[in-house]
Amino acid sequence: DAGVTQSPTHLIKTRGQHVTLRCSPISGHKSVSWYQQVLGQGPQFIFQYYEKEERGRGNFPDRFSARQFPNYSSELNVNALLLGDSALYLCASSLFGAGANVLTFGAGSRLTVL
Amino acid sequence: QQQVKQSPQSLIVQKGGISIINCAYENTAFDYFPWYQQFPGKGPALLIAIRPDVSEKKEGRFTISFNKSAKQFSLHIMDSQPGDSATYFCAASKQGNDMRFGAGTRLTVKP
Repeated sequence: DAGVTQSPTHLIKTRGQHVTLRCSPISGHKSVSWYQQVLGQGPQFIFQYYEKEERGRGNFPDRFSARQFPNYSSELNVNALLLGDSALYLCASSLFGAGANVLTFGAGSRLTVL
Repeated sequence: QQQVKQSPQSLIVQKGGISIINCAYENTAFDYFPWYQQFPGKGPALLIAIRPDVSEKKEGRFTISFNKSAKQFSLHIMDSQPGDSATYFCAASKQGNDMRFGAGTRLTVKP
């Protein structure tokens, strides 16, 4: 039974470039959330999508964008990369968009910006 | 953005001892309080969660104690084992959205 899958697992970019991270939720889950985890800190909420609509946005600049596709997979895009964007980007899926929302996380995509 | 404060930052416990991690929150609108466990190279995994209408929840060796008036909640790990060595995060959310995480506690259980 496949869990949340994320790709790529590791990537290195240079400042100013853009990056696209991908996430496939658990089968049957309709909500996907994105989190940024800087080394030594807790995950910080970036976006939540439910049924292909944005349901929540954290305190991140407009360089960060996301979308959810009809099959409920999702992409996170970051433009004009900064050194401070280096982090582990986590995707989490859940059955619902609200309520006692059990989040299941993927292993993350580790982004290094040089 | 942090609305959940977690302590201690790190904790060392002997095998068989009790590990206690504390969290405090600010937003009284939060209605769901989970704890996550994260091993190196892995994403966080849900350990146990509580709603504010309950003061305590126990699952095996893991117990959450919740104090609504003090806006605090804690995780107790009984009979701590070396396999429990991981980073633990408390979190809080309103209606399951925009989960806010604490900064994490690195637990080391010595054999």
